[in-house]
Amino acid sequence: EAQVTQNPRYLITVTGKKLTVTCSQNMNHEYMSWYRQDPGLGLRQIYYSMNVEVTDKGDVPEGYKVSRKEKRNFPLILESPSPNQTSLYFCASSRGSAYGYTFGSGTRLTVV
Amino acid sequence: QKEVEQDPGPLSVPEGAIVSLNCTYSNSAFQYFMWYRQYSRKGPELLMYTYSSGNKEDGRFTAQVDKSSKYISLFIRDSQPSDSATYLCGPYAGNMLTFGGGTRLMVKP
Repeated sequence: EAQVTQNPRYLITVTGKKLTVTCSQNMNHEYMSWYRQDPGLGLRQIYYSMNVEVTDKGDVPEGYKVSRKEKRNFPLILESPSPNQTSLYFCASSRGSAYGYTFGSGTRLTVV
Repeated sequence: QKEVEQDPGPLSVPEGAIVSLNCTYSNSAFQYFMWYRQYSRKGPELLMYTYSSGNKEDGRFTAQVDKSSKYISLFIRDSQPSDSATYLCGPYAGNMLTFGGGTRLMVKP
């Protein structure tokens, strides 16, 4: 089944403790992206990647890092999480501009 | 001003009604226009996309784009309770898919 898989689905952590949210897609898509979704603010792009070793900032990149060492994986790294990064995170992939994104099921992160 | 604006709703309609969901945008660079549906506790799923101004139909769904007024619409005919979800419009330019805040739709049996 074609899908984007995120892990974990739920995560509660403490301020300052580094964490990684993994994302993997099995569709051989070149484009991958991370979004966060907050009430009243909608979905906002954090980082995106056009291909292996090619990443760029989205609208809200502060406090996040990404890497794209393999085509299928695009992990999101929070080096020092803070409470304002409490949010619902989505990873997405696409085969090109005109085809839209396939989204993962989301990771609900709480930073206390 | 946000780049993409949507009325958050909720919009409550009876089963069988025609639903109109709307979106305005400010960036003339947007080339593709997409509608996503998001059920509670799920990721958004692509419903429809269109490139040019005009209408595009897919079953009970019709997407309408008016680039001159920067206005996007999604019409749902014969709405069903299973259509109850949040609908997100997503204009797209380059590698940036920008979302509206979404409109929550509730279709009551």
